[in-house]
Amino acid sequence: DQQVKQNSPSLSVQEGRISILNCDYTNSMFDYFLWYKKYPAEGPTFLISISSIKDKNEDGRFTVFLNKSAKHLSLHIVPSQPGDSAVYFCAARRITQGGSEKLVFGKGTKLTVNP
Amino acid sequence: DTGVSQDPRHKITKRGQNVTFRCDPISEHNRLYWYRQTLGQGPEFLTYFQNEAQLEKSRLLSDRFSAERPKGSFSTLEIQRTEQGDSAMYLCASSPNGRSYEQYFGPGTRLTVT
Repeated sequence: DQQVKQNSPSLSVQEGRISILNCDYTNSMFDYFLWYKKYPAEGPTFLISISSIKDKNEDGRFTVFLNKSAKHLSLHIVPSQPGDSAVYFCAARRITQGGSEKLVFGKGTKLTVNP
Repeated sequence: DTGVSQDPRHKITKRGQNVTFRCDPISEHNRLYWYRQTLGQGPEFLTYFQNEAQLEKSRLLSDRFSAERPKGSFSTLEIQRTEQGDSAMYLCASSPNGRSYEQYFGPGTRLTVT
């Protein structure tokens, strides 16, 4: 079962406008949520995280919003730049009873920012 | 400050051969993770080390897979008797104490089994 879902496989926006990437989750035990950016043939690059007890975290052009009641989070990029074109993954952390930690990833959304 | 490094970056092998991948985490990161990514999917968790102790193995990790982290530094992932279904990108990540939720990934090893 897919515990972290990114329902939009792709998104296209104009340079300078806002990009909004969405993510839904089903497991209430996740304690942190993260966004990663991935270019082809590279590993994912960490962008921003948010604790499950917060509703907003901001870092420069990137803001993540968390709506716990809806089990939904979103990443806002303002203003969007052509260099932001990449695949964006939403991830959620879970700590198991044995103390193990792991990230559960969505399938990704390909963002294209047009000049 | 160097990031997570992985070696080799690419590996082509014939079915039935054994392969070994290496991961060097960011220095002083005591947590290390292996993930596998296939086309169109997000990374999937394989295994987790805290220092040299392997604390969890995913059921994705069959008996043909083994991972080690001697002395809590670098880690190796070995696949024995490779199958075509093992073809994927194998990603290593590490995270620091205090912010263990922030996992930093290496560039990955692309495995192709022919």
